[in-house]
This record gives sequence, structure tokens and C-alpha cells, in this order.
Amino acid sequence: EVQLVQSGAEVKKPGESLKISCKASGYTFTTYWIGWVRQLPGKGLEWMGTIYPGDSYTKYSPSFQGQVTILADKSISIAYLQWSSLKASDTAMYYCARLNEEMGTIEYFQNWGQGTLVTVSS
Amino acid sequence: QLVLTQSPSASASLGASVKLTCTLSSAHSTYAIAWHQQQPEKGPRFLMKINSDGSHSKGDGIPDRFSGSSSGAGRYLTISSLQSEDEADYYCQTWGTGIWVFGGGTKLTVL
Repeated sequence: EVQLVQSGAEVKKPGESLKISCKASGYTFTTYWIGWVRQLPGKGLEWMGTIYPGDSYTKYSPSFQGQVTILADKSISIAYLQWSSLKASDTAMYYCARLNEEMGTIEYFQNWGQGTLVTVSS
Repeated sequence: QLVLTQSPSASASLGASVKLTCTLSSAHSTYAIAWHQQQPEKGPRFLMKINSDGSHSKGDGIPDRFSGSSSGAGRYLTISSLQSEDEADYYCQTWGTGIWVFGGGTKLTVL
């Protein structure tokens, strides 16, 4: 069974750094893309970026390029979402999800993590 | 620009059927999409992929009450025999070359 288990809720101050994680199991980690999705309080889903753990090739949404870093450690099957300097506007729920691939095209978010709530407040 | 448009809200009665709409930008009317359900206070769940010809493939464990269809740039999710647990937000999602896009979501209320 494919499972993505995310790290727990975080409370941080503006300017602090943060790395949240997404532990994958039940499949070969290096052969499926993983994406990160933000959900602001009371709002919809936004694609942030995607990584291929096999070679750590990463693609970012223009809205998030330079704002976050997506990483993967294939030795322990974990993907990460990292901030170097948090802002209050980063307060949101963050989801990781495994992407389905069909005929060489990376398509939809097929398996979702449970989400990590990040609160940034002074 | 690849854009998905959804109505913000929909409602239907318990036991009835409802059809949710996701409309692709006109230049991308042949794209496939996926539907995701997000129940209150829960994470999203993949429901199904819908191709431009209306063929669809469901996620594991998705009941037969959920079906998909397509017409032109529209991609549809029909839920029949509505149950209280179907009250949720429904998001469509599509993909291009190095880009993934969500619609704004439809909040379904079961009356």
C-alpha cells in the first residue's frame, strides 16, 4: 500500500527556517515524482513544485520559485519542503502527493499525505 | 495559459444526483483532468481521471456512485445517490509540460 506520512504541525516565528518532511513507503521511491501543494486557510489547492527523487530534478511553480526549496533523500525515501526565512503569509496546510505517470507523462496527484500545518506568527 | 474554472458552490438533496463542472481554457480543451475530493478537515483524495473522450479511470475504492464524463472543454463529475459524506470540496486538476494546475474548487452541500 502506497503511503505518504508527513511530519507534524509546526509553529514558527517570521524569519525562522523550516524543513517539513514526507516519508514514502509501499513503492519504489526513486521512480515516481512527488509534488507539494499549499492550502491557505479557507482557500483552494495550489501546486508549489515537483521533484523526481531518482535524480532530484525539480520543477517549481513560478509563484513559488525562489520562495521554497524541494529536496529528496532517496536513501531514506523522504521528500522535503524547506524555507530559509518564513513569513506570516506562509501560514497554511502543506500536502505532499505522489504523481501518477502514464505513457511518460506526469499527470495527476494520486496518493496524498495527511498534510502538515505550518503556522508563522510573532 | 492553462486554466481550470469551477463554480464555487453546488447543492443537492440527500439521495439525489449532482453534476459538477470543470471547464478547461479554450486552447486546452482536449486535456485530461483529475478530480479530487476534500472532506471537511481532511486531506484531498484522488477520485478519478477523465479523458477528453469521456473515458475515465477511478482511484482505488471509489464507489460506483461517482462517475465522469466530458463534452468539449467541460469535464464533469456526477455523484448519484448522494450521501452525507459526499459533502466536501471538489477540485479538478490538470497538467501540462512541467506545470500542474488546480481549479478553484466547488463546495458541495448535501441538503
